[in-house]
Amino acid sequence: EAQVTQNPRYLITVTGKKLTVTCSQNMNHEYMSWYRQDPGLGLRQIYYSMNVEVTDKGDVPEGYKVSRKEKRNFPLILESPSPNQTSLYFCASSALAGDTGELFFGEGSRLTVL
Amino acid sequence: DAKTTQPNSMESNEEEPVHLPCNHSTISGTDYIHWYRQLPSQGPEYVIHGLTSNVNNRMASLAIAEDRKSSTLILHRATLRDAAVYYCILQSLLTGGGNKLTFGTGTQLKVEL
Repeated sequence: EAQVTQNPRYLITVTGKKLTVTCSQNMNHEYMSWYRQDPGLGLRQIYYSMNVEVTDKGDVPEGYKVSRKEKRNFPLILESPSPNQTSLYFCASSALAGDTGELFFGEGSRLTVL
Repeated sequence: DAKTTQPNSMESNEEEPVHLPCNHSTISGTDYIHWYRQLPSQGPEYVIHGLTSNVNNRMASLAIAEDRKSSTLILHRATLRDAAVYYCILQSLLTGGGNKLTFGTGTQLKVEL
């Protein structure tokens, strides 16, 4: 089954404790992206990647890092989480960078930073 | 970035058609119009997209105004499973490749028996 898988789905952590949210897709997609969703603000893009070893900032990249060492994986790294990073995070992928087609989203990772 | 404007909420009865409007008066000539929906506790799900011409697929139809400053998502027969937040989004192709979808806050569709 074609899917985008995120882990963990739920996480409560404390300020400053490094964490990684993993994202994996099994569709051989070139393009992957991370969004965060907050009440009243919709989904905002954090980072995106057009292919292996190619990443770029989205609208709200501060406090986040990403890497794209393999085509299928695109982890989101919070080096020193803060309470304002409490949010619902979504990973998404599409077949081609620059493609105008469908984005496939994961089920989301709800992060709480105390 | 070009923005979209949607009503916060709409209601429909089951088995009736639903027309969800979207205004995007600052759309550029190369922006695609996408619609996604998000069911409770799930990630957004692709519905349909288009550039200039009206589009139909198994889920819905997309009617695009001639000047492209507005569009309408049409669900031909709403069901309870269509209750979701519907996002109208402009997709901008970025210089050097890649694309960007800018989500707004969407329209909450309520479907009643």
